Amino acid sequence: KNQVEQSPQSLIILEGKNCTLQCNYTVSPFSNLRWYKQDTGRGPVSLTIMTFSENTKSNGRYTATLDADTKQSSLHITASQLSDSASYICVVSEGSYIPTFGRGTSLIVHP
Amino acid sequence: GAVVSQHPSWVICKSGTSVKIECRSLDFQATTMFWYRQFPKQSLMLMATSNEGSKATYEQGVEKDKFLINHASLTLSTLTVTSAHPEDSSFYICSAPYDRGREDTQYFGPGTRLTVL
Repeated sequence: KNQVEQSPQSLIILEGKNCTLQCNYTVSPFSNLRWYKQDTGRGPVSLTIMTFSENTKSNGRYTATLDADTKQSSLHITASQLSDSASYICVVSEGSYIPTFGRGTSLIVHP
Repeated sequence: GAVVSQHPSWVICKSGTSVKIECRSLDFQATTMFWYRQFPKQSLMLMATSNEGSKATYEQGVEKDKFLINHASLTLSTLTVTSAHPEDSSFYICSAPYDRGREDTQYFGPGTRLTVL
């Protein structure tokens, strides 16, 4: 069964600090991995998408890494801002458009 | 960029009534759209795949007679929750895939909060 596990479940950091979120998956065959940011009560918004051959992808202060051998990905947030407070969801697809979702990491940035 | 809208953004209804939720791709065509349900502090759960011009494909455990899906055009899919009950209260989100060349990605609607009294 395809699974996507995210850690930590929740994280609290101070504004301006960096943080790293983890995603481990067992989806096979692998097509792509996406990180989404979901504000409370809103739909997810895409941050990054990586295919098998890509190791890193950046989007502003967000940098995602992918190790397809170990089936692990991370999302690094640099110089966090209050607006970064949200749920971050790792989504892995196996080729079709139907993805497998992680349960998300809830990030709270305190001033 | 690609935009997906949903209407309404929230709805409150009485138990036993039916509620229709619309999902529109505003600046691209989508032959396929997806409907998800998300309970508080849970991940999105795929309910069904909406196919333009054909029947929707439902995930295991999702009642097709309760959650009616109609993909009427290349930019519109609707989800109707029939005879809604309090346990149907949830956050419903749609998405549509958009091919950006080498990378295809899903664009999500803003979601619809359904509360059944």
